[in-house]
This record gives sequence, structure tokens and C-alpha cells, in this order.
Amino acid sequence: GENVEQHPSTLSVQEGDSAVIKCTYSDSASNYFPWYKQELGKRPQLIIDIRSNVGEKKDQRIAVTLNKTAKHFSLHITETQPEDSAVYFCAASWDSSYKLIFGSGTRLLVRP
Amino acid sequence: DGGITQSPKYLFRKEGQNVTLSCEQNLNHDAMYWYRQDPGQGLRLIYYSQIVNDFQKGDIAEGYSVSREKKESFPLTVTSAQKNPTAFYLCASSTGPGELFFGEGSRLTVL
Repeated sequence: GENVEQHPSTLSVQEGDSAVIKCTYSDSASNYFPWYKQELGKRPQLIIDIRSNVGEKKDQRIAVTLNKTAKHFSLHITETQPEDSAVYFCAASWDSSYKLIFGSGTRLLVRP
Repeated sequence: DGGITQSPKYLFRKEGQNVTLSCEQNLNHDAMYWYRQDPGQGLRLIYYSQIVNDFQKGDIAEGYSVSREKKESFPLTVTSAQKNPTAFYLCASSTGPGELFFGEGSRLTVL
């Protein structure tokens, strides 16, 4: 079955710096890659997703890149702010599948 | 106010007891899910249901049971057969494959 590995498990950056979280997946059939953000004590929420027909997607300060050949995708956060501090989860699935497989999460701390 | 509601928020159980976690949604979503969240292990799928009266096992279904008698409701029973039930449980729903909308979670502690 699909397996998603996520690194690093924790990441600490200075406010204003960039943060990068990387994930690799095992199933080459996967073609949908969302990222969820879970603030402390709150529910996970989708922040951005990408499908395999594109290599990069941006939404303001966040971007996701996908390398299908290498089977990895990354989340990039620029100009980090304290409110970006949270746990971020990557995930993977394929069209028509309801089974979304999550990575183990990255705890991001943005130091003021 | 549309959303997905889980109850109770905190639950304590003695070993050997079954416990049922409630999940209700008024988003008119066809699909519903149960995930388990443990520190350092991300979100693991327990069961999911694509439509009323149908559900499938996820990756860690052993020791759990579900039912889907109504579109709005997808309760999860943690049975005494679950060897390590202490965890944070998240319910989610979706219109289909794609974005999941999560509830606020239920924290189960076995004493």
C-alpha cells in the first residue's frame, strides 16, 4: 500500500525566514497531494493541494512543488510569521480513492 | 452553522469496556472517515464510508467498529479488543475524494 514519509519531524525558524517540509510517497499511481495545517488544540485544515498534472502551485506565502519522477513533494513557506507555528501534514492519494494516506507530521515553530 | 461535530471531547474508559464516539455532520457530505492521531505517527485511517449503509476498513481497523445508518452520522466504537486505545480520534467528511473537513476531535484515555 501507499506509504508517505515526511521530514523533518520538527523545524524551528526565525520569523521572516523560509521553511521547507519534504515528503516522499511510494505509490507511483498517487496523483493528489494535499497539505494540512493543525494549530495547537485545533482541527487539521487544508491549506494547499496539488495534482500531478502540475509541478508547482502557489498561494500567497505558501507553495507546493511536485517531482513525480522522484516521487517527492514539498511545502515552502516564505516570510514566516508566528501564526505559521503549527503541525503540518502532507498526504497522498489517487483519483477516485477515498483513502488519504498522511505523513507523520512536522512541528513548525516560528521564533519571533 | 454547517460543520462536523464530535462528542464527547474527552472520554475516560476502564480497561475492558467498549466506548462509542459520536460524529455528526450537517454539510450534506456523502463520505465520512475516522482517523487516529498519535504523537509522531500522523493521522492513520481507521474506517471510512463513501455512502450510507456502506463502509470499508482503513489501515488500523482492528479493535474498532462503525456503522453508517444515516448520512449525517458515523459513530465509532472502540472495543475491548483494541490493545492500545488511548489516543486522539478525528472524524472527517468530504463530498468525495479530495478535501477532508475535520471535527475537533475526541481524546480517549484508558485508565
